[in-house]
Amino acid sequence: NAGVTQTPKFQVLKTGQSMTLQCAQDMNHEYMSWYRQDPGMGLRLIHYSVGAGITDQGEVPNGYNVSRSTTEDFPLRLLSAAPSQTSVYFCASSGGQGVHNEQFFGPGTRLTVL
Amino acid sequence: GNSVTQMEGPVTLSEEAFLTINCTYTATGYPSLFWYVQYPGEGLQLLLKATKADDKGSNKGFEATYRKETTSFHLEKGSVQVSDSAVYFCALKEDAGGTSYGKLTFGQGTILTVHP
Repeated sequence: NAGVTQTPKFQVLKTGQSMTLQCAQDMNHEYMSWYRQDPGMGLRLIHYSVGAGITDQGEVPNGYNVSRSTTEDFPLRLLSAAPSQTSVYFCASSGGQGVHNEQFFGPGTRLTVL
Repeated sequence: GNSVTQMEGPVTLSEEAFLTINCTYTATGYPSLFWYVQYPGEGLQLLLKATKADDKGSNKGFEATYRKETTSFHLEKGSVQVSDSAVYFCALKEDAGGTSYGKLTFGQGTILTVHP
């Protein structure tokens, strides 16, 4: 199993550009989520999905869109990038309901918006 | 709402020193508690977890005990190594009647640097 994979690893955008961060998992997990990591703020939840066709907003959803057309993939779209979206983005997945289930994280995408 | 507070970093220690990273939480239900570790350039990995009061999670020489009375989950290791240098995150997941899939609330992270 590859686990959770993310592409690209690094990206530089200009203000106003759009892009999609890719995330895929091969563990047949129902739950997938996107976090952003900023210095001194830990990880904050952007969007999450509990299954194909179902998505919901997290703590900081503004400026981001998601969709979940398959169990495996959960792309994150920035429609018009802003410097405030400079961050490291992590995708995570976990299988099934329950508070005990571990989340598995991808290696991250470091995004810089100029 | 839920929140997690970790001790301010960064923490710098010499090899074989004792480590404590404090973590306290606020939650309305009965959360599970986690410590995640992030090595340089990598994603987060689960280090240990505890699912109910008085449980002790342990892994790789690290330990943390779920203290409901003090709402704490402090991370400890008796003798740190250079390879333990990383960022450590405390997190909680609240039990919403069995429908809580995976929403974690994280602390701000503590950078640990261990020198030879």
